[in-house]
Order: sequence, then C-alpha cells, then structure tokens
Amino acid sequence: DIVMTQSPDSLAVSLGERATIYCKSSQNVFYSSGNKNYLAWYQQKSGQPPKLLIYWASTRESGVADRFSGSGSGTDFTLTISSLQAEDVAVYYCQQYYSSPPAFGGGTKVEIK
Amino acid sequence: QVQLVQSGAEVKKPGASVKVSCKVSGYTLTELSIHWVRQAPGKGLEWMGGLDPDEGKIVYAQRFQGRFIMTEDSSTNTAYMELSSLRSEDTAVYFCAREDFSGDNPVALDVWGQGTTVTVSS
Repeated sequence: DIVMTQSPDSLAVSLGERATIYCKSSQNVFYSSGNKNYLAWYQQKSGQPPKLLIYWASTRESGVADRFSGSGSGTDFTLTISSLQAEDVAVYYCQQYYSSPPAFGGGTKVEIK
Repeated sequence: QVQLVQSGAEVKKPGASVKVSCKVSGYTLTELSIHWVRQAPGKGLEWMGGLDPDEGKIVYAQRFQGRFIMTEDSSTNTAYMELSSLRSEDTAVYFCAREDFSGDNPVALDVWGQGTTVTVSS
C-alpha cells in the first residue's frame, strides 16, 4: 500500500503571507499512460466535509481561488496558498488515487499567526 | 449537478450494526463511482471502500474486510454502507463521496455528502 506523509502537522501564517504544505508518497503516483500524477488536495473546515481543491497534482478544481496552487511529480508534492486569507483556516489533506487503497495524508492544520 | 445527502446520526451499542444511506440526486447512481471515507473525532480521513472501475467491482480497505459492505438501490438512487460488529473505535463521521472521471482518468473525490455521525457506546 502507498503511504502518504504530510509536513508540517500544523503551521501558523500571517494574513497575506505564503503557506506551503508538503506531501510525500511512498511510491510513485505518476501514471505515464495518462501523463498525470494521481494526487489530490482537499481542504476541510471545522464541521464540514472535505472540499476538493486540486487534482492531478496541479489542476485547480472549478471555483477554487487562484491563490491555491499545487505542484510536484512522482513522489513529492506541494500545496501553496500564495496569500493566506482568514477563510483559509482549515486542515488540508493530500490523497493518492494511483492505486488501491487510495490513501490520505495525515493532514496539515493551517492557522493565522 | 450531483448532490449526495446522507441519513441522520446514529447511536449504536458495541456489537451492533449500522447502515448509513447516501441519496444521489442530479445523476444516475449506476453511472457513478461512490466511495466511503470516515473520520474519527479529532483524526484524519480514512478511506473505507469504493468502486474500482479498472476491476469493475467494489474494493474494500483490508482492515474492514468481512464487516463492511457497500450496496446500492438503483430504484431509489441510494447508496448504502453497513458496518457490523461495531466497537467504540468505530465512532466517527462517515462520508460518502463521488469519484469523478475525465475520460479514463480519475479526477478524485469531487462531491461529498454532509457526513453521518455514528456513535458506538454502551
């Protein structure tokens, strides 16, 4: 099974500053036939279901603010919030869906400094 | 626009079973790939099972094998999950979610139900 490891567990960032979250998979999640990394990022606010932000490692879901961006390939990935807003306070999860079982990272809690 | 609406909270005793529903609107259930994910209090997301289109069948997480079943009722456009032999560690919020596809490429879980709280307590 592929194991997803996120870092840091939590981070506090000032409003308007950049927040960067890392995700590492124990195996490659790049699907060569489709030329895509099967890696997603979700945002979960308190008391709500997760919300898909990014899929294929770097494709922003429709309606997601462009301050959210994803990058990386193979086993190492990054979610960047370019200018943190108050409404971005949440827990962020990465997930691989390259192979079964699809696995989530442990989550990164983002707070305002 | 696909929407998933789950059944209400449940309180169960250890050893009992629970069945949670996920009603689909805006799409035909049989055309969807539905997954179930749970979240224990204060913990992260845990995938439980879902349709694997490559294998054409439902795949379950190993740790739930034998006590977790996913079913569908096409007449009511409703998906169900049933977890048996409940223990206190099964106390969690259970989510259904739709896996979207673009051609043959999975997109990830793009639509989620609101969640159903299951509490296991004697």
